[in-house]
Amino acid sequence: QKEVEQDPGPLSVPEGAIVSLNCTYSNSAFQYFMWYRQYSRKGPELLMYTYSSGNKEDGRFTAQVDKSSKYISLFIRDSQPSDSATYLCAMSANSGYSTLTFGKGTMLLVSP
Amino acid sequence: GAVVSQHPSWVICKSGTSVKIECRSLDFQATTMFWYRQFPKQSLMLMATSNEGSKATYEQGVEKDKFLINHASLTLSTLTVTSAHPEDSSFYICSAPWRGRAEDTQYFGPGTRLTVL
Repeated sequence: QKEVEQDPGPLSVPEGAIVSLNCTYSNSAFQYFMWYRQYSRKGPELLMYTYSSGNKEDGRFTAQVDKSSKYISLFIRDSQPSDSATYLCAMSANSGYSTLTFGKGTMLLVSP
Repeated sequence: GAVVSQHPSWVICKSGTSVKIECRSLDFQATTMFWYRQFPKQSLMLMATSNEGSKATYEQGVEKDKFLINHASLTLSTLTVTSAHPEDSSFYICSAPWRGRAEDTQYFGPGTRLTVL
C-alpha cells in the first residue's frame, strides 16, 4: 500500500459544478496537509494548507482533513475552466522543513 | 506567501555537456531547499535536500556525482546536471520551506525544463 493514494483521473466536469478531490493516507504521523495546483509545464502552486484536523475555506476552495479516517478532501465550488489543472495532495509529519509525501495528482478538466 | 524563482525556465543542451539550474528565494531566507524531478504525467520525485553551508542529502538512487548541488547563500541553491544524457531530460523543480503566521509548508519554483539532445 502506498503512503498516499490519489485517483489520477481525469475528472471532467461542466463549468459551475462542485468538484470533490480526495486523498487517503496510511501514515498516522502526518500532521501537515497541503493541496497544490499545477498547470501544465509549471511548478506546483500552494492552494490550501491545513495543520491537523478540521476545515479551512478560502474563496471557492474548502479543504477538509479527517485524521481519524486518514482522509483529506478539496472542494471547489462554481468551478471555472481556469481551474483545469492537476491537483496534488501533499503531507508531512513535521514542519515545512521536512520532506513532503505527494499523491500522484488528479487531473481536472472543467469544460465551458 | 513566499516567492521562489528558477532560472532558466527552459534549457536545451547537447549530450555530454553540463547544465546549471538556479533556485532563489526572493523575499525570504532559506537555509534548506529541496530539488525535485518530474516526468510527464507523474508526481514529483524528491532528488535531494540542499542545506546552506553543508553538503546536500541525496535520496536513494540519485547519483550525487551527476547531480551536483551547491547552496551558496541563504537565498540561492544550484543544481548542476553533469555530463547530461537524453535520459536526464525532465522537469526540475525546487522548493523552499516557509514558516509564516498561518502556515508552515513549502513553496515551489516555476520549474526548469531540461531537454538533452
